[in-house]
Amino acid sequence: KQEVTQIPAALSVPEGENLVLNCSFTDSAIYNLQWFRQDPGKGLTSLLLIQSSQREQTSGRLNASLDKSSGRSTLYIAASQPGDSATYLCAVRAGANSKLTFGKGITLSVRP
Amino acid sequence: GAVVSQHPSRVICKSGTSVKIECRSLDFQATTMFWYRQFPKQSLMLMATSNEGSKATYEQGVEKDKFLINHASLTLSTLTVTSAHPEDSSFYICSALPYATEAFFGQGTRLTVV
Repeated sequence: KQEVTQIPAALSVPEGENLVLNCSFTDSAIYNLQWFRQDPGKGLTSLLLIQSSQREQTSGRLNASLDKSSGRSTLYIAASQPGDSATYLCAVRAGANSKLTFGKGITLSVRP
Repeated sequence: GAVVSQHPSRVICKSGTSVKIECRSLDFQATTMFWYRQFPKQSLMLMATSNEGSKATYEQGVEKDKFLINHASLTLSTLTVTSAHPEDSSFYICSALPYATEAFFGQGTRLTVV
């Protein structure tokens, strides 16, 4: 059974800092991995999708990497801003059209 | 990206009543949609997979008679919480895979049963 872990559960950093959010998964046989952002009481916004054959994806100040063999992914946020404050969730999929298995998320607070 | 619309965003109902939540794909057709539940400070847990034109597939431990799912068209899936009780209070969210790879989510529904 796939398990996804995100540690720590919460993180507080000053504005402008570069930071890395970690995600680990127990079964390396994944189809893809997706990073999401969730604001309080809201739905999920897809940030980055990495296919199993890819090593990383970039979008603006965000960069996600994938090391499938070691069961790890990282989300790098450059020059953090207060608007980046949210919960970041990592999820993996075993196959096309199959369900996502989520971590519990990391709640990020960026202090002005 | 694709747009998934979920309504209502918030609902308060009395214990014993039923509540229907709608999930629509606005700019694509979705043969499969997923329904998740999220408790405070917890991860999203899959409740069921909704398949257009056929019965939903429920995860272990989810009562299919309590959480009725109907996927009557390629753009609409509904979740009905029947005979709701306070323990059903939660955040419910739907998802679809327009390209079979990337998941898009609705805005979520905060259900409070009083």
